[in-house]
Amino acid sequence: DQQVKQNSPSLSVQEGRISILNCDYTNSMFDYFLWYKKYPAEGPTFLISISSIKDKNEDGRFTVFLNKSAKHLSLHIVPSQPGDSAVYFCAASEAGTYKYIFGTGTRLKVLA
Amino acid sequence: SAVISQKPSRDICQRGTSLTIQCQVDSQVTMMFWYRQQPGQSLTLIATANQGSEATYESGFVIDKFPISRPNLTFSTLTVSNMSPEDSSIYLCSVDLKGFGNTEAFFGQGTRLTVV
Repeated sequence: DQQVKQNSPSLSVQEGRISILNCDYTNSMFDYFLWYKKYPAEGPTFLISISSIKDKNEDGRFTVFLNKSAKHLSLHIVPSQPGDSAVYFCAASEAGTYKYIFGTGTRLKVLA
Repeated sequence: SAVISQKPSRDICQRGTSLTIQCQVDSQVTMMFWYRQQPGQSLTLIATANQGSEATYESGFVIDKFPISRPNLTFSTLTVSNMSPEDSSIYLCSVDLKGFGNTEAFFGQGTRLTVV
């Protein structure tokens, strides 16, 4: 049972436009959500996180939105840059646990 | 943040053999984690390793197949034993710097294992 789902395996966006990556989850006990970026031959790099007490968190070009009622979160990148081309994973954890459940990833390609 | 070094970065191994992956962190951490990413799949937690105690394994993973050592607060090893082609994956070491969860985890660069 996949508790964290990224239903779009890939996404292509023009440079300068907005990239929107989506993630759905099924476990209502999740209360902390993260996005990671992964380049080939490198480990995942932390991008941004959000606690369930918030519905939005912004860091520079990256904004994460959380809709708890829909069990949905999204990552917005604006403006998108070619260097953003990577695989993006969303992850979730329950309160007080160290275990992160990851989605299967979305490969973003930003076209110059 | 933390600098996490994994060795080897990649290896090709014969089935039936074992491979030990090393993870070195540049600071002392309580919690270290080992993940596996099979081709086209998400990252799956194998086990949590605390210094001075036995590792805690997730469902589907057993100590005989994936023995883990945690001799000190900056180092851990994961051994993939009696390998089969199904063990071909990327293995990742991760740390939680704050030690109480609900924070970002940092990852090493991963070890790409191919079993032939």
